[in-house]
Amino acid sequence: TQLLEQSPQFLSIQEGENLTVYCNSSSVFSSLQWYRQEPGEGPVLLVTVVTGGEVKKLKRLTFQFGDARKDSSLHITAAQPGDTGLYLCAGVRGKGSQGNLIFGKGTKLSVKP
Amino acid sequence: NAGVTQTPKFQVLKTGQSMTLQCAQDMNHEYMSWYRQDPGMGLRLIHYSVGAGITDQGEVPNGYNVSRSTTEDFPLRLLSAAPSQTSVYFCASSRDRSHYEQYFGPGTRLTVT
Repeated sequence: TQLLEQSPQFLSIQEGENLTVYCNSSSVFSSLQWYRQEPGEGPVLLVTVVTGGEVKKLKRLTFQFGDARKDSSLHITAAQPGDTGLYLCAGVRGKGSQGNLIFGKGTKLSVKP
Repeated sequence: NAGVTQTPKFQVLKTGQSMTLQCAQDMNHEYMSWYRQDPGMGLRLIHYSVGAGITDQGEVPNGYNVSRSTTEDFPLRLLSAAPSQTSVYFCASSRDRSHYEQYFGPGTRLTVT
């Protein structure tokens, strides 16, 4: 059973379009992170959300943590080719052990010029 | 700072061979971990360490050994390589047990024939 479900798995859009990707679970997480991974490289942390209902903005990217801390979304406004990559969410269950970090399978985004 | 470094970048092994994937970080991070990334499976935790001399198993530890003799280094050993271990391997570090944000290395692409 996949604890963190990401959707969609693949997304191909034109430059300038808006998009939202989702990260859902039936479990409660103490915090949730979003990473972006480009081909041939390791994931890079974009943001951590901690409080239920929290919204964080990073330029054209808006991250939201659900009120119940079971889900999160990433919205990109006016996507650019540089946004292309694999977007991963990762949830932290409990505290005190790195073994409790769970990754979703990712959403592969392609933004065409 | 170099961050997290991994060597080699690419490796081809024959079934039954052994090898060590190297990982080092220069950020004085307590936590280090190894993940494998496979298509459709996401990132899965192999082993992790909460500090020098302390290691623990993750989700998929079979066929792999680790040790942590220094804060900086966390090598991953494949004892007898199998085709099922063909994957991309990522080493990651984080500051301490209350900070789960991962800093990833560039990865090692391993093929076992």
